[in-house]
Order: sequence, then C-alpha cells, then structure tokens
Amino acid sequence: SAVISQKPSRDICQRGTSLTIQCQVDSQVTMMFWYRQQPGQSLTLIATANQGSEATYESGFVIDKFPISRPNLTFSTLTVSNMSPEDSSIYLCSVQDSYEQYFGPGTRLTVT
Amino acid sequence: KQEVTQIPAALSVPEGENLVLNCSFTDSAIYNLQWFRQDPGKGLTSLLLIQSSQREQTSGRLNASLDKSSGRSTLYIAASQPGDSATYLCAVNIRGSARQLTFGSGTQLTVLP
Repeated sequence: SAVISQKPSRDICQRGTSLTIQCQVDSQVTMMFWYRQQPGQSLTLIATANQGSEATYESGFVIDKFPISRPNLTFSTLTVSNMSPEDSSIYLCSVQDSYEQYFGPGTRLTVT
Repeated sequence: KQEVTQIPAALSVPEGENLVLNCSFTDSAIYNLQWFRQDPGKGLTSLLLIQSSQREQTSGRLNASLDKSSGRSTLYIAASQPGDSATYLCAVNIRGSARQLTFGSGTQLTVLP
C-alpha cells in the first residue's frame, strides 16, 4: 500500500492570495490525482498529474486557477490561485496502487 | 455519466447493532468499487476493494458485496462500536477512464455508546 503525506495540513488564507499544497508518496507512481471536497460535499476530481506531461483537468477546473507540478514520480504540488471564500475546502491527493486508491490526509483550506 | 448514490445519508445506531450501508451506481461497466472511511476533517482510509469480477470482500467486522448487474453494493458492519462513527464513502472506478473514481455523497454513521 502507498503512504501519502501532504503539507500543510491546514491553513487560513486571505482572499486574493495563493497557496501551494505539497503531496509526497513513499513509492513511485505514474499518476497522481488531486481532489477537492467542499464543506458537506463528496469528493470531486480536479486533475490528474502525470510525470513529464501536462496535467489533465476535469470540467470546471482550469490550469490558471489550479496549476499543478509533477517534477518526479513521488511528488506533486497543487496551487490554489487568487483564492476566494468559495475555495474553502479540503484538498486531497491520491494515487492508485494495485487497483486500490489511496489518499493523503488532506489539506484543510479556509479562505477569509 | 456515472452517478453514485448512497442511502441513507445519515444513520444513528446503538452500540453492538449490525448495520448495512447501501451504494448504488447507474452504469454497471465498472472496473472496481471501493469503500472508504472518512473521519471529520480528515483524509480517506480505504476499507475494502471489490473487483468487478468479485461478489464480496471481507475484512474483520466489515463485509462488502457487489451486484454489478443491479448496480448495487452494500457494506455490512457487524457488532458496531463507537469507534466506527465516521462518514462512509463508496466510489466506483469507471472502466476506461484512466483510473478515476466517482464518489457517492456518503453515509454519516454515529454509533451511540
């Protein structure tokens, strides 16, 4: 099984600023996934990050708002840009290992 | 488009009771189905994974079943404990969609001591 860590675990940010969330996996994986969970809601996939190529964004999410880096097979970052209170959510990174999906502990973001 | 529904949205039971959580999905062409547990403000913990060719999986007090033809899965929790209190999410992995998951909205379980 994959072990995933995220930094920061939580943050409170002012509107208009940006926050970069880091995701580290203890093994090499081809694809990493970034999800958002808005308050009281289930998870929504933001994008899929492949090492060495551009991330693939889901409908409703754009690169200018959520730029993603994937410099190697164990690490990825998600930036939430020009934040507004509507961006207040838990952001989770995820990997798949032997058909099973694993999630990081999440980053709880509050935008004031 | 795949849709995943979980019923009930919330459930409160006394300690020791056996219970069943339900998950239904609209497209039976799934790769696998996974049950997760989420504690408040936390990430997801994988509980059970059922491949499309399987009918059920068991882990300790948990048993998950899958009926692809009817688009249903159940999570059975035996002898519930207060520590089981959490939100339980099911997610289907759609065949041919690059290993993406479609999540249900979850069942919030409270086990009363």
